[in-house]
Amino acid sequence: QKEVEQDPGPLSVPEGAIVSLNCTYSNSAFQYFMWYRQYSRKGPELLMYTYSSGNKEDGRFTAQVDKSSKYISLFIRDSQPSDSATYLCAMRGATVGRRALTFGSGTRLQVQP
Amino acid sequence: DVKVTQSSRYLVKRTGEKVFLECVQDMDHENMFWYRQDPGLGLRLIYFSYDVKMKEKGDIPEGYSVSREKKERFSLILESASTNQTSMYLCASSPGLAGAPQFFGPGTRLTVL
Repeated sequence: QKEVEQDPGPLSVPEGAIVSLNCTYSNSAFQYFMWYRQYSRKGPELLMYTYSSGNKEDGRFTAQVDKSSKYISLFIRDSQPSDSATYLCAMRGATVGRRALTFGSGTRLQVQP
Repeated sequence: DVKVTQSSRYLVKRTGEKVFLECVQDMDHENMFWYRQDPGLGLRLIYFSYDVKMKEKGDIPEGYSVSREKKERFSLILESASTNQTSMYLCASSPGLAGAPQFFGPGTRLTVL
C-alpha cells in the first residue's frame, strides 16, 4: 500500500464549478502538507502549504487538513480553464533527518470553457 | 521569489554517453534534490544533498551520481546513459527547516536514443 493515495483522474468539470481534490495518507508522522500545481511539461509549482488541521484559504484555493482521518483536500472555487493542470499533494514529517517529501501520484484536472 | 533553474529544457543523448544535468538555486537553500517523473510512476527521488559535498541516496540512485561543490549548484550525472533513463528530471531546493516545502525548477526532458 502506498503511503499517499491520490485519485489520478482525469477530472473534467465545467468552468465555474467547485473542484475538490483529495489525498489520503497512512503515516501519522506526516505533519506538513503541500499542494503543487503542474502544467504540462513544466515543473511543479507550490500552491498551498499548511502544517495544522483545519482550513487555509488563498484566493480561490482552500486547503483542508484532517489529521485524525489522515485526509487532505484542495478546493478550487470558480474554476477557470487556466486551472487545467495536474495537482500533486505532498507531505513530510517534522524531523529534519528525512528531508524529502512523499508525493501523491497527482490528479489531472480539466476545466472545460 | 525562489528561483530554481535547470541548464536545459530538452536534451537528446545517445546510449552510453555521459550526461550532466545542472541545477542552480538563488535562495541560499541548504537542501537540494533530484527527482525523475514518469507517467504512472509519479515523482521518484534519485538523490538529495543537505550541504556542500554532502549527499544521500534517494529511492532510485542506481545509474546516477551527483555533485555539490557549491551551495547553490547541484549536478546530476548519468555515467553511461541508457534508454530507460529517458524521463523528465526535476531539481528542487528547500531551506534546512523542519517541514519546509520544496521549490522546483522547470524540468529537463531527457531522451536517450
